[in-house]
Amino acid sequence: DTGVSQNPRHKITKRGQNVTFRCDPISEHNRLYWYRQTLGQGPEFLTYFQNEAQLEKSRLLSDRFSAERPKGSFSTLEIQRTEQGDSAMYLCASSPLHTTLNNEQFFGPGTRLTVL
Amino acid sequence: AQKITQTQPGMFVQEKEAVTLDCTYDTSDQSYGLFWYKQPSSGEMIFLIYQGSYDEQNATEGRYSLNFQKARKSANLVISASQLGDSAMYFCAMREGEAGGFKTIFGAGTRLFVKA
Repeated sequence: DTGVSQNPRHKITKRGQNVTFRCDPISEHNRLYWYRQTLGQGPEFLTYFQNEAQLEKSRLLSDRFSAERPKGSFSTLEIQRTEQGDSAMYLCASSPLHTTLNNEQFFGPGTRLTVL
Repeated sequence: AQKITQTQPGMFVQEKEAVTLDCTYDTSDQSYGLFWYKQPSSGEMIFLIYQGSYDEQNATEGRYSLNFQKARKSANLVISASQLGDSAMYFCAMREGEAGGFKTIFGAGTRLFVKA
């Protein structure tokens, strides 16, 4: 399967702990996006990368959140000192090299985070 | 600021009937893309249909069609001949242009229930 993959699929953690999620985009997709989806809502944009450069961060991305894409391939999203409000589905998506308006963003299956 | 509004939290439709899911959007951009995604209970985001702001004809993909009314800034999804497997969350979304990194803004979604 050559789609977007995310690991882990589920993560349960205690408040105050750090967690890290990984996203492997479709190979050769140079744009990678992170979204957060809370229960009953649509996904909200968090940040995106073009190759290894992080070009935009939403104000939703507090100082406790950090994302990297060191080699322009996979990306990691780390949440430090997790809070119960961080409980959500974290979705990763990637877009083809020559992104235009009508390029589909290919979404991964998501990582569901539960903070106890 | 770009915004997507879906005013129907839930919709019921009889199997084999057609259903329209409403979506309105707000943008000051002249060039934009509109998408509909389906999200079943398993969580993955499934691309359904795309409409470009300059497209003069309404987009169609199998049983899905998009009723695009640019002046009213609406992009309603029509599903014909509903099937039980169509029961899911449906999200309307708008793709920002290159200046916005081609990120996607989502509505809050409509949950569709197909009755046998």
